[in-house]
Amino acid sequence: DSGVTQTPKHLITATGQRVTLRCSPRSGDLSVYWYQQSLDQGLQFLIQYYNGEERAKGNILERFSAQQFPDLHSELNLSSLELGDSALYFCASSRSLGNTIYFGEGSWLTVV
Amino acid sequence: GQQVMQIPQYQHVQEGEDFTTYCNSSTTLSNIQWYKQRPGGHPVFLIQLVKSGEVKKQKRLTFQFGEAKKNSSLHITATQTTDVGTYFCAGQGGGATNKLIFGTGTLLAVQP
Repeated sequence: DSGVTQTPKHLITATGQRVTLRCSPRSGDLSVYWYQQSLDQGLQFLIQYYNGEERAKGNILERFSAQQFPDLHSELNLSSLELGDSALYFCASSRSLGNTIYFGEGSWLTVV
Repeated sequence: GQQVMQIPQYQHVQEGEDFTTYCNSSTTLSNIQWYKQRPGGHPVFLIQLVKSGEVKKQKRLTFQFGEAKKNSSLHITATQTTDVGTYFCAGQGGGATNKLIFGTGTLLAVQP
């Protein structure tokens, strides 16, 4: 158990819908990362937050948004969902910038 | 942008054989990390290399960071069935963002 908690574990939704994935980082970790893993794309970096502020952006679509709240938990919002958004979404956290990151178990999103 | 490539994409070995995966970054890295993802699981941190030319060992695993800090390798001696999984390198660039970009991964299959 890495200490990073993600909910929901599995989610099935229809195209055009919107979903929110939630992440609680390890106790004491200030930085949260979101990654998308699909079969043909590997682990794609989406976005990183540090102590509530956005620090780095990767290949995150405009239909996706995220934020980190004052209690350090984070949410990833995916809207106008398409079939190609079906993937495993990982949240990870680290103590600070440049530290080892610890992954949650992921949220499986299936768009039908 | 920063890219991290790994070869091979897939390797099938007989139990007891050695295995090596190579990681190459398009830019100089401040550090490189290695993760292992078992089938159906989440990436789990193995090790971090920081210094140019650094070599670290963990039992049968040997990790190396290149002199130019742009490449790395993971070598497993005498593979076991428990080594099955995808091995990812992840490069962290310098600067304020410290984005952690994952390599494409190498899937290792070990036949008993």
